[in-house]
Amino acid sequence: SQTIHQWPATLVQPVGSPLSLECTVEGTSNPNLYWYRQAAGRGLQLLFYSVGIGQISSEVPQNLSASRPQDRQFILSSKKLLLSDSGFYLCAWSPPHGYEQYFGPGTRLTVT
Amino acid sequence: GQSLEQPSEVTAVEGAIVQINCTYQTSGFYGLSWYQQHDGGAPTFLSYNALDGLEETGRFSSFLSRSDSYGYLLLQELQMKDSASYFCAVRGDKIIFGKGTRLHILP
Repeated sequence: SQTIHQWPATLVQPVGSPLSLECTVEGTSNPNLYWYRQAAGRGLQLLFYSVGIGQISSEVPQNLSASRPQDRQFILSSKKLLLSDSGFYLCAWSPPHGYEQYFGPGTRLTVT
Repeated sequence: GQSLEQPSEVTAVEGAIVQINCTYQTSGFYGLSWYQQHDGGAPTFLSYNALDGLEETGRFSSFLSRSDSYGYLLLQELQMKDSASYFCAVRGDKIIFGKGTRLHILP
């Protein structure tokens, strides 16, 4: 069966510090991968998605970036965090031609 | 522009039926999905409609009318564990999620 992992679960970082969140998927090949951000009490905002290694599409211009160095690994990064980067970050995967998305447990990021 | 509209909150009684509506305006349309999210947790996939009509999965059903740009999630025989937020999401030229509907269930 397929499993998606995200870490860390929670993170408190000062403004201006770098960020690296990692997501890995097991039990499937060539998944589509997604990074979302959810502000408190709000919907999900798609940040990046990837259909293959090295292929990244950015949905929202900001100080975040994403990379996919391996088929089942998706990384979200920032060189300098802003207060507005606080939120619940969710990684998700979907089958290559599927429509359903499966979410990881999320990382709750607080920028202080 | 692109947008999804769903009620922010709905309240229903345990054992009853509740309908959560979603209207959308998007560029391109491939399908409408529904997700459930409990407090502090991650969203979980419930259903997907690409064609008009009703899809049933146990106590949950989802409906789509492409001509009306409208869909709904129907929850039957409500249980306390159904208390959660429910999101509709559209896959068009982009993937867009609604802001979610908080479902409160009274005993």
